[in-house]
This record gives sequence, C-alpha cells and structure tokens, in this order.
Amino acid sequence: AQRVTQPEKLLSVFKGAPVELKCNYSYSGSPELFWYVQYSRQRLQLLLRHISRESIKGFTADLNKGETSFHLKKPFAQEEDSAMYYCALMIYNQGGKLIFGQGTELSVKP
Amino acid sequence: GAGVSQSPSNKVTEKGKDVELRCDPISGHTALYWYRQRLGQGLEFLIYFQGNSAPDKSGLPSDRFSAERTGESVSTLTIQRTQQEDSAVYLCASSPFLGLDSYEQYFGPGTRLTVT
Repeated sequence: AQRVTQPEKLLSVFKGAPVELKCNYSYSGSPELFWYVQYSRQRLQLLLRHISRESIKGFTADLNKGETSFHLKKPFAQEEDSAMYYCALMIYNQGGKLIFGQGTELSVKP
Repeated sequence: GAGVSQSPSNKVTEKGKDVELRCDPISGHTALYWYRQRLGQGLEFLIYFQGNSAPDKSGLPSDRFSAERTGESVSTLTIQRTQQEDSAVYLCASSPFLGLDSYEQYFGPGTRLTVT
C-alpha cells in the first residue's frame, strides 16, 4: 500500500534550536518524495524535493530507502519557519498524484 | 502570472443539496488534480485529469462525487446530496507535468465547504 506517515501533529521548538520533522513512507516502487509547506493564510507550496538535493530556506531532507524515511531538518529554526509541513509521495506512473502525510505543525517560539 | 484560482472560497450548504466547486488552473498546465482536506487530516487525493486522457477517478469517495474538465482549462467538482462528512477544504492543483523535471503541483487557495 502507498502511505505516508508523519508521526508528530505538533512540533514546538525555540528559535535557534535544531528541528527535525519526521516522515516515513510505504511504497513498492522507486519513491519520489516532496515536502510541501503552508504558511498562515497562504497556499500550499513546494518546499523541496529529494532528487534535487538542494537546501531551501536552510531546510534539507535526505531520502533513506533502508529506513523508508524522508525527514526534514534545519539546524537553526527561525520564527518565520512556523507553518504546516506536509510530506508527500508522488506516484509518477499514476499521473503524478500525491499521497500526503497528515502534516506536522511547526511552532517556533522566540 | 496568475496562479490557480478556485471559487467559491467558502460554501455553506444544507445536507442533501448539490454543490459545484470550480477550479481555474494555470494556463498551459495539462495536469489538474483535486484533493480534499478534512479537519485535522492530511490531503486526500480525489481525481486527476491529464490532457485528453481518461481521468483517474480512483480517489473519489463515492458516486455522489464527480468532476469534469473542459480541455485543458476549467474543472468543476460536483458533490450531489451532500452529507456532513463532506465538510472539508477542497484543493485544486495544476502542473505542467511534462515528466520528472516538471513535477511541481501549484495549489489554489481552496474552497471551504461546510455542510449543515
């Protein structure tokens, strides 16, 4: 079955602290994984994709096929990082539809 | 340029009524997706359109749900005989989807549907 699991509904950290948002997936094929972010009163937007291996706004995510994980990390959280974060698995051979996790709300306190 | 637009932004309807939700994708995007987000839950795939291909309706939760798309433009999602469990935010996304290099989905602001 195709599934994405984000075990934490809410993650609260202080500004400057490291942050890790967990994501695990279940998929028999070769996974294409994404992190989408939704800031308050804004649209859902792409944050990063595993294959590009880039850092966006200081965030990185490494695909670990052995652990079937794609955790999102940032060494020093900022208040403007507060948002809802969704991990998503793209099913490429089904039109690119996305299977989303339930989301993690990140709250960065001053 | 203009992003994905959806209308209405909010819709309150009585149980048993039909509702129609509209999505205007980004011009030139061949792929269009509908998702549903119920309170406290993640986004749930509903249906996908790609060009002139038959739509992927595998995510539609019941036969009360249907969707149409005219060519590569506007799409409408129709819910017949609405139930309270249909209350959710309905999100539309479009993508050029030319392959793995054009994968990003661009989301609209959503329509918040409340069934009373």
